[in-house]
Amino acid sequence: QPVLTQSSSASASLGSSVKLTCTLSSGHSSYIIAWHQQQPGKAPRYLMKLEGSGSYNKGSGVPDRFSGSSSGADRYLTISNLQFEDEADYYCETWDSNPWVFGGGTKLTVL
Amino acid sequence: EVQLVESGGGLVKPGGSLRLSCAASGFTFSSYSMNWVRQAPGKGLEWVSSISSSSSYIYYADSVKGRFTISRDNAKNSLYLQMNSLRAEDTAVYYCARRPGVVIWGQGTLVTVSS
Repeated sequence: QPVLTQSSSASASLGSSVKLTCTLSSGHSSYIIAWHQQQPGKAPRYLMKLEGSGSYNKGSGVPDRFSGSSSGADRYLTISNLQFEDEADYYCETWDSNPWVFGGGTKLTVL
Repeated sequence: EVQLVESGGGLVKPGGSLRLSCAASGFTFSSYSMNWVRQAPGKGLEWVSSISSSSSYIYYADSVKGRFTISRDNAKNSLYLQMNSLRAEDTAVYYCARRPGVVIWGQGTLVTVSS
């Protein structure tokens, strides 16, 4: 069963860029993941599916500022030109014998 | 518009039961696996249960196995979660979600287990 590891928090300034990391456990480095955003008090929102090759497919309406990339067991979510509405919790997730496996989430603060 | 709307949450005493519903619209419900995911107050997301499109395959997290039952009615475009023997640690917002492909999330329904 894969385990996804995320930093608990991150911060960056308005208008800058930030790169969030999700690391797959040993033996699972080829897994496809998805990124989800959860703004305060709201339901999660699907952002994208991200493959080990770095190829990604975004959900409908997800701004161009959001992009994905991969390196080995690491999956990245990069947000450019940060806006205050990007302040949220970001979760990565994948699937195996359990249909959903979530990372612990990263709380992003926009300064 | 693709939409999932949960209902049925509320306050229930420990050991009690509750049935959650999720109404789907805007897509061919019978073609998709469906899922329940929960989030305890101040905590992360936790997968609860999944059901395949024809109900042939059903999965549960160990934390709810034997107490919760997932089901669906494709004629009514609806997903259900029967929750029995509820515990304080089941207190959470429960989301229904569609997968595979683009994941669609509902707005969630709050379940509070407290005496």
